[in-house]
Amino acid sequence: EAQLVESGGGLARPGGSLRLSCAASGFTFSDFAMSWVRQAPGKGPEWVSAISGSGGSTSYADSVKGRFTMSRDNSKNTLFLQLNSLRADDTAVYYCVKRSHSGTWDAFDIWGQGAVVTVSS
Amino acid sequence: DIQMTQSPSSLSASVGDRVTITCRASQSIGNYLNWYQQKSGRAPKLLIYAASNLQSGVPSRFSGSGSGTDFTLTISSLQGEDFATYYCQQSDGLPRTFGQGTKVEIK
Repeated sequence: EAQLVESGGGLARPGGSLRLSCAASGFTFSDFAMSWVRQAPGKGPEWVSAISGSGGSTSYADSVKGRFTMSRDNSKNTLFLQLNSLRADDTAVYYCVKRSHSGTWDAFDIWGQGAVVTVSS
Repeated sequence: DIQMTQSPSSLSASVGDRVTITCRASQSIGNYLNWYQQKSGRAPKLLIYAASNLQSGVPSRFSGSGSGTDFTLTISSLQGEDFATYYCQQSDGLPRTFGQGTKVEIK
């Protein structure tokens, strides 16, 4: 069974940093693009970033571009999100998400349990 | 960015009711539209992909339709475990965007 398990969330000060990790199992990790999706309290999900299966290509939401960096280690089946220059509006649950797609469809089919990030002084 | 607008924002329904949720995209997205269910404190779960395809393991009372800019999620006979918030999401372009959600509550 495919599974994603996040770790690394916690409390950070404004301007501070955190690093999230996501351990993948139950599927061939390197075959799939991955994303991070966050959800602020009481809000809908917001796509944050994506990375190709090889790790050679990344994309970011404008709200995090230049502050967050997504990477992966396919030898360890692990995804990362480095969060720098954190702001109060980055407070959210951060989900690691597997992307599945073909020529005619594209969806987030597996979600982790989420890592809580709180930015507060 | 492609904006996704759901209606209604919330609804009250009884077990056994037929429930319909709509989602409108700000531009044509073909059939690159997915639906997710989220229960309180849990991660979203994929229900429908490519507008009308049922994800493996999802009960057949869930169905989706539409293309272009207008889409519908239908629950044919609401069950107790279906009380949750439902989100549409477009996968036609970056950034991927979600609707604001429809909360289905018990009447």
